[in-house]
Amino acid sequence: GAGVSQSPSNKVTEKGKDVELRCDPISGHTALYWYRQSLGQGLEFLIYFQGNSAPDKSGLPSDRFSAERTGGSVSTLTIQRTQQEDSAVYLCASSLAGYGNTIYFGEGSWLTVV
Amino acid sequence: AQTVTQSQPEMSVQEAETVTLSCTYDTSESNYYLFWYKQPPSRQMILVIRQEAYKQQNATENRFSVNFQKAAKSFSLKISDSQLGDTAMYFCAFFQGGSEKLVFGKGMKLTVNP
Repeated sequence: GAGVSQSPSNKVTEKGKDVELRCDPISGHTALYWYRQSLGQGLEFLIYFQGNSAPDKSGLPSDRFSAERTGGSVSTLTIQRTQQEDSAVYLCASSLAGYGNTIYFGEGSWLTVV
Repeated sequence: AQTVTQSQPEMSVQEAETVTLSCTYDTSESNYYLFWYKQPPSRQMILVIRQEAYKQQNATENRFSVNFQKAAKSFSLKISDSQLGDTAMYFCAFFQGGSEKLVFGKGMKLTVNP
């Protein structure tokens, strides 16, 4: 596609439920990133994929968070047993492989846990 | 660890004025990339400008230019002839080679008034 596509754009879920957030990167982009942005805060790195492998999972806040990428394209971020502190905008981004290439962001998925 | 600091949380300017947003960073690397991203209320993170550390010439993109002072580890963004559409959060970011991720500052809210 023309840009990074994320779905759903908004999600309200009950505490304790699992949620899945989807990211479709720009065609041909092998690098994919997930970031979290809490209200009024900066961007917190979660995980980075190069192809289907994740060399850097250092930002995942707990074992309730997991992510996968299949076919070198679509990625899914899963949050199990959601908590209220998980409420945030989850931003996906992609780039061409290589150091310093511009990273392009999607519009984000706004998650609210009630 | 690399850090990015944006010391001004908020600024406001009048339309057509020039404004400078400050950013400092800390790294032991000699080659890296720096970025300014804009996030309007629509939530979409948009690349404003990109600077490669080994290039001494300051990057420019139309009304946007940077003042890159490598020795001082400073990377400020100048917006000339401010427009209402420039109202947004602005994030300074540092590309961390090796771990292949962008490290962001906490952002600065810019309001352009008519």
